[in-house]
Amino acid sequence: QEQLVQSGAEVKKPGASVKVSCKASGYTFTGYFLHWVRQAPGQGLECVGWINPNSGGTNYAQKFQGRVTMTRDTSISTAYMELSSLRSDDTAVYYCARDLKQWLVTYSLDIWGQGTTVTVSS
Amino acid sequence: QSALTQPASVSGSPGQSITIPCTGTNTDVGSYNLVSWYQQYPGKAPKLLIYEGSKRPSGVSNRFSGSKSGNTASLTISGLQAEDEADYYCCSYTGSSSNVFRTGTKVTVL
Repeated sequence: QEQLVQSGAEVKKPGASVKVSCKASGYTFTGYFLHWVRQAPGQGLECVGWINPNSGGTNYAQKFQGRVTMTRDTSISTAYMELSSLRSDDTAVYYCARDLKQWLVTYSLDIWGQGTTVTVSS
Repeated sequence: QSALTQPASVSGSPGQSITIPCTGTNTDVGSYNLVSWYQQYPGKAPKLLIYEGSKRPSGVSNRFSGSKSGNTASLTISGLQAEDEADYYCCSYTGSSSNVFRTGTKVTVL
């Protein structure tokens, strides 16, 4: 079945970087845009950005520009999100999620990973 | 930056219908037909309920429906059930390759 499986929880110190992976299976990885969304404890959802796995093109939310890098490895159907210069308010669950329609960015996310908890603490 | 407003909580009794509004502006909800709605249980990933304002993905109960009027999108849950108790988020495209979620609405089944 179509699914996204993310890497495990991370604990980082302020100022460090974290790289989260998201492995797709059950569908054509390069056919669907992949979004990253985060959720701080007790808070709502926040978009980090997206990557086009086919071209490698990316779009980052303004808030994260300069600190986030999204990449992919099509040979293993895996996308990555790296966030640098971590602060305590980056503590959150980070989700990857697939866009609903093939070849398009609709911002409707139909398949979600299980989430990766990133804790930033000294 | 665009801001979408949702009530913090909505409640209803089993069998009733409830509606969750998502109020935006003429630069997001009012300008694009790209509003989506998600259901989230505690500790779980969100689930897509509605896309493009009113369309349901396959497998989503027809008790969930979406609509839009002007700058406000709405999610209606009909025949409220105990399992509908969850958080609900709306999301809208805001132009310039950006989108925004809001803080969500907690639905309580009385």
